[in-house]
Amino acid sequence: NAGVTQTPKFQVLKTGQSMTLQCAQDMNHEYMSWYRQDPGMGLRLIHYSVGAGITDQGEVPNGYNVSRSTTEDFPLRLLSAAPSQTSVYFCASSPSSGNSETQYFGPGTRLLVL
Amino acid sequence: GNSVTQMEGPVTLSEEAFLTINCTYTATGYPSLFWYVQYPGEGLQLLLKATKADDKGSNKGFEATYRKETTSFHLEKGSVQVSDSAVYFCALSEGTNAGKSTFGDGTTLTVKP
Repeated sequence: NAGVTQTPKFQVLKTGQSMTLQCAQDMNHEYMSWYRQDPGMGLRLIHYSVGAGITDQGEVPNGYNVSRSTTEDFPLRLLSAAPSQTSVYFCASSPSSGNSETQYFGPGTRLLVL
Repeated sequence: GNSVTQMEGPVTLSEEAFLTINCTYTATGYPSLFWYVQYPGEGLQLLLKATKADDKGSNKGFEATYRKETTSFHLEKGSVQVSDSAVYFCALSEGTNAGKSTFGDGTTLTVKP
């Protein structure tokens, strides 16, 4: 199993550009989520999904969209990039939504918005 | 709302020293508690967890005990190695949404030979 994969690893955008961060998992996990990690801070939840076709907002959803058309994929779309979105983005999955479940993280996408 | 507070870093230790990283939490219900570790350039990975009061999680020589009375989940290791150098995150998960976890700010540990 590849686990959770993310592409690209690094991206530079100009203000106002849009892009999609890809996330895929091959563990048949129901639950997937996107976090951003800023220097000296913990992870903040952007959006999450409890299954194909179901998504919901996390703590910091503004400026981002998600969809979940398959169990495996959970892309994150930046609609109009802003410098405040410069961050490292992590995708995670877990077998179910139970609160004792371990989350499995991808290697991250480092995004720089100029 | 829920919150997790970790001791501020960075922490620098010599090899074979004793490690404690403090973590306290605030939650309205009965959360599960986690320690995740992030090595340079990688994503987070689970180090250990505890799902109810008085449970002890352990892995790779690290331990943490879920203390409901003090709302704490301190991470300890008796003898650290250079390979333990990483960022450590305390986290809690409550309710029916595992992904709606709350993370601490992370503590950077550097172990010198």
